Amino acid sequence: GAVVSQHPSWVICKSGTSVKIECRSLDFQATTMFWYRQFPKQSLMLMATSNEGSKATYEQGVEKDKFLINHASLTLSTLTVTSAHPEDSSFYICSASVGMISQETQYFGPGTRLLVL
Amino acid sequence: GENVEQHPSTLSVQEGDSAVIKCTYSDSASNYFPWYKQELGKRPQLIIDIRSNVGEKKDQRIAVTLNKTAKHFSLHITETQPEDSAVYFCAATRNQAGTALIFGKGTTLSVSS
Repeated sequence: GAVVSQHPSWVICKSGTSVKIECRSLDFQATTMFWYRQFPKQSLMLMATSNEGSKATYEQGVEKDKFLINHASLTLSTLTVTSAHPEDSSFYICSASVGMISQETQYFGPGTRLLVL
Repeated sequence: GENVEQHPSTLSVQEGDSAVIKCTYSDSASNYFPWYKQELGKRPQLIIDIRSNVGEKKDQRIAVTLNKTAKHFSLHITETQPEDSAVYFCAATRNQAGTALIFGKGTTLSVSS
């Protein structure tokens, strides 16, 4: 159980285009999902907390108009990188919380590697 | 803000030796401390975790200890094997955002045979 998928696994796009990344919980419902970004040889940096049916909570320094998050159902959250630029090239990973309140465990998706040319 | 410090950044051991990675956290409200193993290009995999009401937890060759007073926790791997080579991340919850995790910078563990 507790399988999280992401699509696509990698994407190459031209500067100025928008890219949508999907995160799905396959065998459970996730009220809360998280989006992280990881640059090469660095740690995971929390970008935003995605709550089903409400607006996402963004971390300081993360532009909400550039990184659009939608959590329309209990099994799907999407991250759209709008007007992508080369500096947005990174490994984007989502995670989902499983379990009862105060006993949650976080499981990660396989990640999406974005390269902006 | 919340911060998780992790040491060392790199660790090289001989097969069969033990490896210890240490983390400290700043948010006294943190109550969940997972450890993840990440192989190159892959997702972080949860290997062990501990909650604030427990001081130690063990799973075969892996153990985690927690000292809430000192706000530090450690990962212990015994009888290391080459397949243990990876990057290990500690993390701590940030209660203001539910189970949002703040990660340490990671430790690159190399086990040579």
